[in-house]
Amino acid sequence: AQSVTQLDSQVPVFEEAPVELRCNYSSSVSVYLFWYVQYPNQGLQLLLKYLSGSTLVKSINGFEAEFNKSQTSFHLRKPSVHISDTAEYFCAVKGTYKYIFGTGTRLKVLA
Amino acid sequence: GAGVSQSPSNKVTEKGKDVELRCDPISGHTALYWYRQSLGQGLEFLIYFQGNSAPDKSGLPSDRFSAERTGGSVSTLTIQRTQQEDSAVYLCASSLVASEAFFGQGTRLTVV
Repeated sequence: AQSVTQLDSQVPVFEEAPVELRCNYSSSVSVYLFWYVQYPNQGLQLLLKYLSGSTLVKSINGFEAEFNKSQTSFHLRKPSVHISDTAEYFCAVKGTYKYIFGTGTRLKVLA
Repeated sequence: GAGVSQSPSNKVTEKGKDVELRCDPISGHTALYWYRQSLGQGLEFLIYFQGNSAPDKSGLPSDRFSAERTGGSVSTLTIQRTQQEDSAVYLCASSLVASEAFFGQGTRLTVV
């Protein structure tokens, strides 16, 4: 069985500061890993994904995540956040076919 | 279509009534998923369809919940005899075999 843990339910951070949202997973099979973002009153959008290849993956708006197999982690980072990054972020793992989601981390960017 | 389409976007129903939620996936996507998102909770897996294979219904919370997918495309999630604890946002997603899931905007169900 697979599971995903997002330890931080809320992360407040000042604008232009760096941020890290943590994600750990457990799985007995090889996995694909994803970060999704949900802006207020909107659906889930893919932010970035790891399917294979380079363990460091990046999004077009400055986020990056690194797949660490030994630590079973896929933490999300951004060196400098913007007010518009305020949203809920979900980490997800896909093993055989099912996507398993974490409980989400609410990122609140403060002016 | 350009994305996953769900209808209705909002549904208010009286306790005990049946409701049907519709999902129109991205054309060509063989996999279709239903998830439930309750306030302050993550996404709870409900059911998975893959092509013509038997669906994985392991996430359905009770026998009041059922879903079908017709012609490998449109899916309907039916909740019979709705209860207040069924109030949530129901999300549909579709995908190809080895790629990310694309989500619809969801149906917000409120049982009063």
